Amino acid sequence: RKEVEQDPGPFNVPEGATVAFNCTYSNSASQSFFWYRQDCRKEPKLLMSVYSSGNEDGRFTAQLNRASQYISLLIRDSKLSDSATYLCVVSRSYNTDKLIFGTGTRLQVFP
Amino acid sequence: EPEVTQTPSHQVTQMGQEVILRCVPISNHLYFYWYRQILGQKVEFLVSFYNNEISEKSEIFDDQFSVERPDGSNFTLKIRSTKLEDSAMYFCASSDGRGHQPQHFGDGTRLSIL
Repeated sequence: RKEVEQDPGPFNVPEGATVAFNCTYSNSASQSFFWYRQDCRKEPKLLMSVYSSGNEDGRFTAQLNRASQYISLLIRDSKLSDSATYLCVVSRSYNTDKLIFGTGTRLQVFP
Repeated sequence: EPEVTQTPSHQVTQMGQEVILRCVPISNHLYFYWYRQILGQKVEFLVSFYNNEISEKSEIFDDQFSVERPDGSNFTLKIRSTKLEDSAMYFCASSDGRGHQPQHFGDGTRLSIL
């Protein structure tokens, strides 16, 4: 079983739509969680950290469910510029440096 | 906004040659990393570096690879005796702490082995 699993998509949505991505992780000892976005052949860019209480940054909302080992990202009012691959990223503990990446979920927003 | 910079953006090398990939991390960061991404695959951790020594490495990071911080600003990844399967994007990252501190990535070096 992969340590971080994501639906690869693609998710094709019209501008203005709300879209949600899910991610599951297998290691219950995981402590830190992030969403990164990656444009084609570019570097991963931090979108947001994910906190136990859930957190929001503008149109983006992230949720963490430790019991189910599940992370989600909700994007409201999708823009054309949101088209990218969204990477679910997990760190096993506060004492490790290693980030574990999912394969990513591709989002395509169309006019 | 401060950023991680990497050079070169693209490196083409003959199989068996040595390459050095360079990175300048964000200036007040203390933790440095290398990751790679083979085309069409996920990003994979290679190595982390703190206080002038390797703090963690993956099974990919074997004797072919080495890292160095030769001065106060640069962080390098050396790949000896390159193989075709070393072709990938190599990303440098830095952070100001471990675990819950996010890592910030440079724009990568595309390494092509011929």
